[in-house]
Amino acid sequence: NAGVTQTPKFRVLKTGQSMTLLCAQDMNHEYMYWYRQDPGMGLRLIHYSVGEGTTAKGEVPDGYNVSRLKKQNFLLGLESAAPSQTSVYFCASSKQEIGKNIQYFGAGTRLSVL
Amino acid sequence: SQKIEQNSEALNIQEGKTATLTCNYTNYSPAYLQWYRQDPGRGPVFLLLIRENEKEKRKERLKVTFDTTLKQSLFHITASQPADSATYLCALEYTGGGNKLTFGTGTQLKVEL
Repeated sequence: NAGVTQTPKFRVLKTGQSMTLLCAQDMNHEYMYWYRQDPGMGLRLIHYSVGEGTTAKGEVPDGYNVSRLKKQNFLLGLESAAPSQTSVYFCASSKQEIGKNIQYFGAGTRLSVL
Repeated sequence: SQKIEQNSEALNIQEGKTATLTCNYTNYSPAYLQWYRQDPGRGPVFLLLIRENEKEKRKERLKVTFDTTLKQSLFHITASQPADSATYLCALEYTGGGNKLTFGTGTQLKVEL
């Protein structure tokens, strides 16, 4: 039972390059989330999805795009990477349960933008 | 905007003692509050959830309290062990928050022999 799988685990980009982070979950969860975690800032929500084909902006969406073409996958794209996007990115998923949004996280992607 | 405060300084305690971590929040009242554990290089893992109408929740050596008057949650680990060393995050979903959690910055706990 893999849970939430993120690829890649590490990546180094040059300023202006693009990349896509992949998140896959095998728990049939409706909700999926992308966070970034920076020292002293905690987890901040970038974008999220409440179902296949739907996405919404979180707290820090600028510079990122997402897509959820299949229920089990949630992609995070950086079109033109900037050093400010150096961070650890976490994907999470949760069931559609009222009053109980327990989130299951992947192991993270460590991204450095030079 | 919602703000969640956790002590940014690491908490060092001796093995066998009770560790108490604090989570304070401002503004809107949360529908419920959760605590997660995060080990270095890993994603957070859910531990406990407590609803706004609950005062206390327990799970094995863990206890969470929720005081909506003080806008505070306390997270206790009794009979602490070195294996409990980790960063602990609190997270809130606010009423009308649309299935989104707001996380605190976390408190690092170190349990020493």
